[in-house]
Amino acid sequence: NAGVTQTPKFQVLKTGQSMTLQCAQDMNHEYMSWYRQDPGMGLRLIHYSVGAGITDQGEVPNGYNVSRSTTEDFPLRLLSAAPSQTSVYFCASSYFSGREDTQYFGPGTRLTVL
Amino acid sequence: GDSVTQMEGPVTLSEEAFLTINCTYTATGYPSLFWYVQYPGEGLQLLLKATKADDKGSNKGFEATYRKETTSFHLEKGSVQVSDSAVYFCALSDKGSQGNLIFGKGTKLSVKP
Repeated sequence: NAGVTQTPKFQVLKTGQSMTLQCAQDMNHEYMSWYRQDPGMGLRLIHYSVGAGITDQGEVPNGYNVSRSTTEDFPLRLLSAAPSQTSVYFCASSYFSGREDTQYFGPGTRLTVL
Repeated sequence: GDSVTQMEGPVTLSEEAFLTINCTYTATGYPSLFWYVQYPGEGLQLLLKATKADDKGSNKGFEATYRKETTSFHLEKGSVQVSDSAVYFCALSDKGSQGNLIFGKGTKLSVKP
């Protein structure tokens, strides 16, 4: 049981490049989400999904796309990277339940956009 | 909208000192409350949680009580260790928001031997 995995761990992009951050979980969780962590800002929700085929926007969705074709995977796409997207990105998952709200986080991807 | 406010850091303590990190929240519903911890270079881990008023969450010597009357969820530990050095995040999850977490800005704790 690997939990939540993220790849890559580190990435450097040039402005305007595109890339996909990968996230996978093996706990059969329905709910998955992406956060970004910036100094002094805590974590802010980018996008989330409550099940395969269903996604929705969080607090800071601009510049990011997501899709959820399987329960296990929830990739985050940057279509045209900007320096403002330099951040640490965390993927998380949880059971979709009103009683069990614990979210499990991946180890993060540190992205630098030059 | 819903929000979480936690005390500014960084906090520096000597080993075996008492720790309090204040957290207050604003929410329209009846949220679940959490403390997550982030050790250097790692992702976040759930430290403890409480899902209704007057519940006390506890783990690894840390405690926090859900106080609805003061909208607070302060984190406490009686005797900190060097290994407790980390960033601590208070968060809430409004059950109506499908499990989305709203985080405070985090408090960095450093414990000196």
